[in-house]
Amino acid sequence: QVQLVESGGGVVQPGRSLRLSCAASGFTLRSYGMHWVRQAPGKGLEWVAVIWYDGNNKYHRDSVKGRFTISRDNSKNTLYLQMNSLRADDTAVYYCARDRRGSGYYPDAFDIWGQGTMVTVSS
Amino acid sequence: DIQLTQSPSFLSASVGDRVTITCRASQGFSSSLAWYQQKPGKAPKLLIYDASTLQSGVPSRFSGSGSGTEFTLTISSLQPEDFATYYCQHLYSYPLTFGGGTKVEI
Repeated sequence: QVQLVESGGGVVQPGRSLRLSCAASGFTLRSYGMHWVRQAPGKGLEWVAVIWYDGNNKYHRDSVKGRFTISRDNSKNTLYLQMNSLRADDTAVYYCARDRRGSGYYPDAFDIWGQGTMVTVSS
Repeated sequence: DIQLTQSPSFLSASVGDRVTITCRASQGFSSSLAWYQQKPGKAPKLLIYDASTLQSGVPSRFSGSGSGTEFTLTISSLQPEDFATYYCQHLYSYPLTFGGGTKVEI
């Protein structure tokens, strides 16, 4: 069935790096834009980044710009989030989510979500 | 950035009640709005997109309306499985922001 599975979370010290992965199954990743969304403990949802179906366009929220990079390997049906210079306020569950729009560069609603992976930034 | 303000932030209701949640935007953006349901420890689930289109598989007791700066999510007859937190999200410009959430409890 259509599914997203995140991995790569864990406990990391401030200033260190972590790479999250999101493996897609049941659909062809290259046909969709993909997003990362995070949720700090007990808090609401926060959009992090988007990468469009062909990888040619991507956007990051200001608070992670220059530290996080979204990327994709369509041949492996996998989405990534490289997180550098991590801070305590990056602590959250990170979800990958599929944009329901296929080709094109305008966002639409997120119709498929992974189960999330927890990232804890602490010394 | 477009700010989304949901009201109420907390709602106490009973099975069978009609429930309405409002999402107000700091600037207008036509119908580029989605609603999600999230249960504790679970990923969000898409309910409504384009402000009023029901996602496939979502019960018809859920409906959405509005445009511009004011949007609503209505549950016509609350069911036990509907007790959750609901979020609106705009899809008009970056950053794509979510509302603060509305927790619906018994």
